[in-house]
Formats: sequence, structure tokens, C-alpha cells
Amino acid sequence: TQLLEQSPQFLSIQEGENLTVYCNSSSVFSSLQWYRQEPGEGPVLLVTVVTGGEVKKLKRLTFQFGDARKDSSLHITAAQPGDTGLYLCAGGRYNNNDMRFGAGTRLTVKP
Amino acid sequence: EAQVTQNPRYLITVTGKKLTVTCSQNMNHEYMSWYRQDPGLGLRQIYYSMNVEVTDKGDVPEGYKVSRKEKRNFPLILESPSPNQTSLYFCASRILQGTELFFGEGSRLTVL
Repeated sequence: TQLLEQSPQFLSIQEGENLTVYCNSSSVFSSLQWYRQEPGEGPVLLVTVVTGGEVKKLKRLTFQFGDARKDSSLHITAAQPGDTGLYLCAGGRYNNNDMRFGAGTRLTVKP
Repeated sequence: EAQVTQNPRYLITVTGKKLTVTCSQNMNHEYMSWYRQDPGLGLRQIYYSMNVEVTDKGDVPEGYKVSRKEKRNFPLILESPSPNQTSLYFCASRILQGTELFFGEGSRLTVL
């Protein structure tokens, strides 16, 4: 059983559509991160959230950390083909030495 | 250029033949970690190290060894590989008090 459950597992949409990806857990995390991974490469950090209820925006991407610091969401507005990739959430515990990853959401944005 | 370098990137081997995957970082990071990535399971931590000569088990350490003799290097050793260790392996590093992990490009290992 994954400590962090991501949904949906796969998402295929048309360019210009909006989408939301979820990352849920029963555990409390000291920080939560979102990474994007492209084929043949390692994950690259998009954002870190540390405060319950925190919202961060990165251009068309909006990240939210749940009030109880157990869950997070990633919303993409007007998706573009360049957003295609595997989105991973990761929760940090014990001073972030224990970093647990979700299984990921594979997003495909069609032109 | 700041980077984490893994070698080899691809390896096919046979059951029982010892192998080492090297990892080196040039960012002077104290913390280094190994993950394996399998479909549907995401990234699972194998071992991590908070500094030279300090290593700890992650979620899935069985069948693996690590060492941290120098700050920049953190090799992953498979003493007797088995087919269930076929996977994509990632090394990562960060500053000790930080949260952002910097990943290598991955090493795809197949054990026949």
C-alpha cells in the first residue's frame, strides 16, 4: 500500500483544457513536493509546500497543501503539450530524511 | 554545471553476478539517496546517507548495500542480483536541511 495515493493514474486531455491531480495520505507531512519527470530523465522539482493551507502558483500551475498537511493538489490551467509528463508528489517526514513518493500521474496533452 | 551523475545508464546482467552502480554529485550535498522506480509503485527509497560514513535503510533495502566513504560518491552495490531487482534506479542528493532533491538521469538495470 502506497503511503501517498495519487489520482488519477493516467490522464489524457486536449490542449487548452484544465485538469487537477490529487495526492492523498493518512499521514501528516512536514513538507510536500511536486516533481515532473520526462522519459529518460530524473524527476525535477516543481514546488515545495510546507504550511497547511498554503497555495503556490507557478505560471499556469497552482499547488495547494491541505489544511491538515496530509494531502495536496496540482491544478493546471489551459494545458499545453509541453506539460506532458509524469507528475510525482513526495511527502517528507522526520526532517525530510524519510521522503515518500506517490506512484505518479501520467499526463498526456494532445495538440 | 551542478549535477548528479550515475553510471552505467543501462546494464543487462545475470543472476548472481555482483555489480555496482556509481553515483557522484558535484554540489557538496551532505544528503544522498538511492531509489528504485517500478510501474505502479513510484519511487521507493533503498538507502540514504546524511553524511560521510553515515548510512540508513530506506523502505526496500533487502539485497542492496551502499557505502559513503567520500562526500561526493554514494555507490549502490548488488552483491548477488536477482530478477526482482530489475528496475530503474535513481540517485539523488540535497543539502542536509533542504527539501529539494536533485536526481541523476537514472540507471536501467535488467537481471536475467
